[in-house]
Amino acid sequence: GESVGLHLPTLSVQEGDNSIINCAYSNSASDYFIWYKQESGKGPQFIIDIRSNMDKRQGQRVTVLLNKTVKHLSLQIAATQPGDSAVYFCAERRGSWGKLQFGAGTQVVVTP
Amino acid sequence: DVKVTQSSRYLVKRTGEKVFLECVQDMDHENMFWYRQDPGLGLRLIYFSYDVKMKEKGDIPEGYSVSREKKERFSLILESASTNQTSMYLCASSQQGAVTEAFFGQGTRLTVV
Repeated sequence: GESVGLHLPTLSVQEGDNSIINCAYSNSASDYFIWYKQESGKGPQFIIDIRSNMDKRQGQRVTVLLNKTVKHLSLQIAATQPGDSAVYFCAERRGSWGKLQFGAGTQVVVTP
Repeated sequence: DVKVTQSSRYLVKRTGEKVFLECVQDMDHENMFWYRQDPGLGLRLIYFSYDVKMKEKGDIPEGYSVSREKKERFSLILESASTNQTSMYLCASSQQGAVTEAFFGQGTRLTVV
C-alpha cells in the first residue's frame, strides 16, 4: 500500500551544523505534508507543514522542501542545538478530517 | 497552554483482560485520535472521532474499539488484550478544519503479559 517512509533511521549532527532529514512519500493525492518532533518521553509536536502546491516553506530555524517530481520531502534545521535531539516524523494529510499518515521516524542525535 | 492528558503513563495487563485507555483534552477540539507507536513503524492510526458519539476506523482497528460520550474524552478499549498489543499508545486532538496540527498526549506504554 502507499506509505510515507524515511531514508535514514538515525542522523548524527554536530552542534552548530545544519541538519537535513529526508522523507520519501508515495501518495501523490495528499494535500499537505507535515513534520513532527518527538522528544524522549513526550508526544509528537507539530513543527511545520507545507501545502502540496508549494516547494518551500520557512519557519524559525527550519525549512521544509517539497519535490513533487521525485516525491521527496526534507526538513532542514539551521544551527542545530542540543534541544533538537529528538525523533522527527514526516507525515501526510489524507482526507478532510485531519487524518495523518506518519513515516517511521528519524532519530537525530546532536553531538557537542 | 493546550493539553491532552492520558490517564496512565505505564500499564501492565494480562492476556485476555479488557483494557481501557482514557484521554482528555481541554481545548474544546472536535477531532480526537488514537495512534499506536511501534519502533520502525512510526505512528499508525487506530480510530478517530470527529464529534461526540461519532467514530471512524483508522488503519489498524482490529482488536480495538472506542467510545466518545463527551466532547473532551476519548477512550480506547482493548476488548481482550493480547501480547501483540504491547505498544505505546498516543492520543491526539485537533480543531475541526485544522489542516495539519494535532496536539498529542504524552503516551501510555502498555505491556500485555
